[in-house]
Amino acid sequence: DAGITQSPRHKVTETGTPVTLRCHQTENHRYMYWYRQDPGHGLRLIHYSYGVKDTDKGEVSDGYSVSRSKTEDFLLTLESATSSQTSVYFCAVGDSGTSTDTQYFGPGTRLTVL
Amino acid sequence: QKEVEQDPGPLSVPEGAIVSLNCTYSNSAFQYFMWYRQYSRKGPELLMYTYSSGNKEDGRFTAQVDKSSKYISLFIRDSQPSDSATYLCAMSGNDYKLSFGAGTTVTVRA
Repeated sequence: DAGITQSPRHKVTETGTPVTLRCHQTENHRYMYWYRQDPGHGLRLIHYSYGVKDTDKGEVSDGYSVSRSKTEDFLLTLESATSSQTSVYFCAVGDSGTSTDTQYFGPGTRLTVL
Repeated sequence: QKEVEQDPGPLSVPEGAIVSLNCTYSNSAFQYFMWYRQYSRKGPELLMYTYSSGNKEDGRFTAQVDKSSKYISLFIRDSQPSDSATYLCAMSGNDYKLSFGAGTTVTVRA
């Protein structure tokens, strides 16, 4: 599992509330990614980080923000959750950020926004 | 139109059968092609990785890429109940950005 943990594993929240998901890795990978997985859409990149305090947007970044203050932690924040953000969120890690780099995925967080 | 199209199935086969999975894509810049396996309630794990066109074999698994047709395949020989999972194709060009298919759910019946 490449030493990746995600917390919480399950969360139910209400529309309009802030939510923070945490990804923690123990193997010093430089790159970290947040994806969401929805039926019929596969995995879509939300944000990624290429180092401490270095982040950039992915394909579906609207409504999400991220922070990385330490190599091992990458936080995903939904400032004001909406029902369209109900999804399964996966964190992934990699080393080079290139096409030949293998991305290793965490176990996922299942988020329900009521 | 999505960049990567994958039939979601579900696909149900008897144990020992050959499982055939495929994806089509529209972006001619894609050069790196991957198959991930995802068990229920788990994260995806890399199964096969192929660069450009051709075949790659790893045990019971064979990945094929036909760039001229923009078509990739994964074959699982002598399928086992433990192969029951969702299989995701993924591909990229000269950067880190992976484009995933929606996934095909496979059940191998004992």
